[in-house]
Amino acid sequence: DSGVTQTPKHLITATGQRVTLRCSPRSGDLSVYWYQQSLDQGLQFLIQYYNGEERAKGNILERFSAQQFPDLHSELNLSSLELGDSALYFCASSVVPGANGYTFGSGTRLTVV
Amino acid sequence: SQKIEQNSEALNIQEGKTATLTCNYTNYSPAYLQWYRQDPGRGPVFLLLIRENEKEKRKERLKVTFDTTLKQSLFHITASQPADSATYLCALDIAGNTPLVFGKGTRLSVIA
Repeated sequence: DSGVTQTPKHLITATGQRVTLRCSPRSGDLSVYWYQQSLDQGLQFLIQYYNGEERAKGNILERFSAQQFPDLHSELNLSSLELGDSALYFCASSVVPGANGYTFGSGTRLTVV
Repeated sequence: SQKIEQNSEALNIQEGKTATLTCNYTNYSPAYLQWYRQDPGRGPVFLLLIRENEKEKRKERLKVTFDTTLKQSLFHITASQPADSATYLCALDIAGNTPLVFGKGTRLSVIA
């Protein structure tokens, strides 16, 4: 157990639907990152939060949004889902941004049918 | 364009040999570089971080080098074991305290 908890582990949904992925960071970590991993693209950075505030944005689609709550857990919302959104979604956390290793969760496997 | 390249998609070696994985990057000046291990269906696990002013870092059977002139990092696993079989990812901060950018990884298979 890495200390980063992601739920659900698996999600199967239909095109056009909306889902919410949840992440609880490792205790003491203030920074949360969301990554998408597909077979052909590798790990792609989506968005980062630090202590409740959005810190950086990557290749996140407008149909996707996220937030970090006062208890530091984070949610990634994916809407108007398309087949191409099928991927593994990882949450990672670190103490602070900077020269620290990330602790990753075990991921949510999203399948859009 | 900015990119990170890991030398090959897959690498097969005999048990007991040293595995050497390469990470090359262009158009970045990272302050540090990190290596992760990822097993199928699992999240990446942090292994080592090396800073731009460090030439080499070791941890048990792992060794990482960082050449900012060549824009290259080498990752070595000595006395490799079948349990070392996994995908290894390199990652950079591309502009100081920015989220890590990952390479696509090299899948290492250690054959008994």
